[in-house]
Amino acid sequence: EVQLVESGGGLVQPGRSMKLSCAASGFTFNNYDMAWVCQAPKKGLEWVATISYDGSSTYYRDSVKGRFTISRDNAKSTLYLQMDSLRSEDTATYYCARWGYAWDYWGQGVMVTVSS
Amino acid sequence: DIQMTQSPSSLPASLGERVTISCRASQGISNNLNWYQQKPDGTIKPLIYYTSNLQSGVPSRFSGSGSGTDYSLTISSLEPEDFAMYYCQQDASFPYTFGAGTKLELK
Repeated sequence: EVQLVESGGGLVQPGRSMKLSCAASGFTFNNYDMAWVCQAPKKGLEWVATISYDGSSTYYRDSVKGRFTISRDNAKSTLYLQMDSLRSEDTATYYCARWGYAWDYWGQGVMVTVSS
Repeated sequence: DIQMTQSPSSLPASLGERVTISCRASQGISNNLNWYQQKPDGTIKPLIYYTSNLQSGVPSRFSGSGSGTDYSLTISSLEPEDFAMYYCQQDASFPYTFGAGTKLELK
């Protein structure tokens, strides 16, 4: 059974950093591109970043370029999102998702609240 | 960026009813259009990929169609578990973008 389990969220002050993790199981992790998708409270879904199956390529939405870094450790079957210089507008639930036929598996999401 | 316009934003409907949700892209996306369902607890379920292909395990009452800039999701006969939010999403080019969502509500 495919499972994606996010962790690392919580309350953080503006300007600080936070690192999210997504532990994958039930499939060959290094065969798939992975992504982070977020959802601000009461808002819709928004793509954040994508990383290729081998980590060689990364893509970001403009609002997080230079502040967020997506990475992966294929030996540990884990996806990461390093979030620096956090802003109040980054407050959201962050989902990791597997890119198979579209985003075919999603985690349950982890909440990040940026507030002083 | 490709803008995705979804309609309606809210759709009251009854059990057994046939409903259609529309999604329009700001430019042609060559059938690179996917649909997702989100339940109130936040759980996201993929429904359809590449316009009309059902994801594994998705009931056949769901179907998708479209081309160019205009796409749609149809549920042929609503079941209780279908009342949720629905999002379209394009993967023709980065940044991948979603529609604003359609809330399917029990009338």
